Amino acid sequence: EVQVLESGGGLVQPGGSLRLSCVASGFTVHNNGMSWVRQAPGRGLEWVSDITYNDYKYYTDSVRGRFTISRDNSKNTLYLQMDNLRVEDTAMYYCGGHGGNSAWGQGTLVTVS
Amino acid sequence: QAVVTQEPSLTVSPGGTVTLTCGSSTGTVTSGHYPYWLWQKPGQAPRTLIFDVSYKHSWTPARFSGSLLGGQAALTLSGAQPEDEAEYFCLLSFDGVRAFGGGTKLTVL
Repeated sequence: EVQVLESGGGLVQPGGSLRLSCVASGFTVHNNGMSWVRQAPGRGLEWVSDITYNDYKYYTDSVRGRFTISRDNSKNTLYLQMDNLRVEDTAMYYCGGHGGNSAWGQGTLVTVS
Repeated sequence: QAVVTQEPSLTVSPGGTVTLTCGSSTGTVTSGHYPYWLWQKPGQAPRTLIFDVSYKHSWTPARFSGSLLGGQAALTLSGAQPEDEAEYFCLLSFDGVRAFGGGTKLTVL
């Protein structure tokens, strides 16, 4: 069964950093596209970043230059390094695979305050 | 970045059929936008129903189907059930950069 588990969220001050992790099971991250999306309280879903199966990386405009997506194939884990955090980055962050591996976890909450 | 549009709300009768649509500010939605449909119930994580226009997951109820219709991506629900009441989000890809629509709140009433 395809599953992911996010972790690493927490409370951080504006300008601070956090690194989110996403451990996958039932599929491998290294040859699959992976995504991070987020949802601010009471709002809709917002796409944040993708890494393709062949390592191209894409970001939404508001996080480009501050967030970095990466993966560790040996740990079957996706990461999102978030630097220079802003109050408006406060959200639940979800990771998921692409295509047939597009299962989403329960999310990890990031609060910037 | 492109804007993805969805109906803000729709209502369907139990057992009825409804089609949700997903448009793009850039023009016609094609298979090259790799449309996804996700649903989310209050207090729960999102769940992908449809990917790449029309492919279903093992957990996707058979009553849901995805297609391209009139220049948009479409999600059709045939035989609505009370448990289908949720918010539905479409997700489109624009040469690697992706964007969600604002979501459609579906009421089964």
